[in-house]
Amino acid sequence: EVQLWESGGGLVQPGGSLRLSCAASGFTFSSYAMSWVRQAPGKGLEWVSAISGIGGSAYYGDSVKGRFTISRDNSKNTLYLQMSGLRAEDTAVYYCAKDKVGATFYWDYWGQGTLVTVSS
Amino acid sequence: DIQMTQSPSSLSASVGDRVTITCQASQDITNYLSWYQQKPGKAPKLLIYDASNLETGVPSRFSGSGSGTDFTFTISSLQPEDIATYYCQHYDNLPPFTFGQGTKLVIK
Repeated sequence: EVQLWESGGGLVQPGGSLRLSCAASGFTFSSYAMSWVRQAPGKGLEWVSAISGIGGSAYYGDSVKGRFTISRDNSKNTLYLQMSGLRAEDTAVYYCAKDKVGATFYWDYWGQGTLVTVSS
Repeated sequence: DIQMTQSPSSLSASVGDRVTITCQASQDITNYLSWYQQKPGKAPKLLIYDASNLETGVPSRFSGSGSGTDFTFTISSLQPEDIATYYCQHYDNLPPFTFGQGTKLVIK
């Protein structure tokens, strides 16, 4: 059974940093691109970042480019999102999501989400 | 960047009704479109991919169609458990992999 479990969310001050983790199980982690998708309170879904299976290619949305870094450790079956320069508008539930096929960038499994709150 | 325009933003329908949601891309995305269902407090769930392929385990009352820039999502006979917000999302070629604004479906 595929499982994704995010952790690392919490309250952080504007300008601060936070690292999210997503532990994966139930599939060959290195064979699939992974993404982060976020949802601000009461708002729609926003794709944030994606990384290829072997980690050689990373992609970012314009709103986080230069501030967030996606990475993965395939030996630990874990996906990361290092967030810095956090702003109030980064407040959201952050989901990690598994690519359905390999690197097609739509997602068949999602974690339960972790809440990041940026506030002073 | 490709923009996805989804309509309506909210929809009220009765159990048994046929429900249709549309999604328009700002440029040709071939059939690289997915549809998701999200219930309150839950993660999104993949329903349709490649515009018209039903995800495994998803009831057949859900369907998708379209290609190019215009796409449609249909629930053939609305059930109470279908109350949710629905999103389209493109995955054509390069990021960002944009979602539509969402359609909130409520029971009349």
